[in-house]
Amino acid sequence: EPEVTQTPSHQVTQMGQEVILRCVPISNHLYFYWYRQILGQKVEFLVSFYNNEISEKSEIFDDQFSVERPDGSNFTLKIRSTKLEDSAMYFCASSAESSSYEQYFGPGTRLTVT
Amino acid sequence: AQKITQTQPGMFVQEKEAVTLDCTYDTSDPSYGLFWYKQPSSGEMIFLIYQGSYDQQNATEGRYSLNFQKARKSANLVISASQLGDSAMYFCAMREGHGNAGKSTFGDGTTLTVKP
Repeated sequence: EPEVTQTPSHQVTQMGQEVILRCVPISNHLYFYWYRQILGQKVEFLVSFYNNEISEKSEIFDDQFSVERPDGSNFTLKIRSTKLEDSAMYFCASSAESSSYEQYFGPGTRLTVT
Repeated sequence: AQKITQTQPGMFVQEKEAVTLDCTYDTSDPSYGLFWYKQPSSGEMIFLIYQGSYDQQNATEGRYSLNFQKARKSANLVISASQLGDSAMYFCAMREGHGNAGKSTFGDGTTLTVKP
């Protein structure tokens, strides 16, 4: 069964450094998303992406965040200058172009900022 | 106001019994989807079940069923014949209008513990 994959599974970085989290959505999907979950808290929406542009973003998704689909398979989230409070699990998700609202999540990347 | 409310921070159930996890939602959009996800201690988000706002029948997937009461704006998850492996955090989520480009809004989650 096709699945969303994410790399790396765990990323440790120092405060102020740039990180790029990578995702490979399901191949025939056209809508892509990033969510984050701070340890012990709820899952929060960051951004949705369709047709090579951002469809919607939350107030969390400020200027230090950016997303890109650099080729036909990858979908990346870049955090320019990481802060301690960016430590969280980051989930990528994708969905197909259909009337269904189903969204499939990747396994997540745990980002630890020290 | 919270769009998704899960009022049970923690629930316990005896193995082999059924359990209901509560979820209420708030939206003025006539088109929306409701989801349940399971998050075990390993951290991944596992899709369990989906209910569309226009679906006439309650969704079922194996031991999972969704008790959808549209007028009450509730979408409770029922797990039948609980197993020890069902112990996890469960999240209710909603996606409103905007087709597939819309974001999912999650509740705070319910931690389910299945006792042997």
